[in-house]
Amino acid sequence: NAGVTQTPKFQVLKTGQSMTLQCAQDMNHEYMSWYRQDPGMGLRLIHYSVGAGITDQGEVPNGYNVSRSTTEDFPLRLLSAAPSQTSVYFCASSLGYEQYFGPGTRLTVT
Amino acid sequence: GENVEQHPSTLSVQEGDSAVIKCTYSDSASNYFPWYKQELGKRPQLIIDIRSNVGEKKDQRIAVTLNKTAKHFSLHITETQPEDSAVYFCALRGSSNTGKLIFGQGTTLQVKP
Repeated sequence: NAGVTQTPKFQVLKTGQSMTLQCAQDMNHEYMSWYRQDPGMGLRLIHYSVGAGITDQGEVPNGYNVSRSTTEDFPLRLLSAAPSQTSVYFCASSLGYEQYFGPGTRLTVT
Repeated sequence: GENVEQHPSTLSVQEGDSAVIKCTYSDSASNYFPWYKQELGKRPQLIIDIRSNVGEKKDQRIAVTLNKTAKHFSLHITETQPEDSAVYFCALRGSSNTGKLIFGQGTTLQVKP
């Protein structure tokens, strides 16, 4: 099993550009989540999904969209990047308790 | 909704000493309390967890205690070693069966040799 994978590892965007952060898991987990990590603020939940076709907002959803067309994939879309979205993004999956994190994507918006 | 406060934000101990990190929460329906360790540049990894029907759980040098009445839970690391240096996050899951976790702000633990 590859576990949870994320691409890309690093990305630099200009303000106003859009992009999609990819997340995939091969553990057949129903639950998937996206977090952003900023210094001194822990991990904040952006969006989550309890299964294919079902998504919901977390603590900081503004500026991000998600979809869950398959159990395996949970992409995060930045519609119009802003410097405030500079962060490290982690995807995670779970069967209900322990969450398994991907390696993260470090995003810089200039 | 769920909320969790973690203290202290930084903790420095001498090798061999104990370290304690505490988290308080507001939602009495929270039922799952994991602790994650994150080394520099790495992903968070689960080190220990406890469910609401248990008061204490131990795994070698680490233990977690839960006080549901007072709504706080703590991580205890005994006989600390330099490799324990990392950022530690508490988290909790509310009563809804969504799998989502709410994280504390993190504690940077430094163990001095």
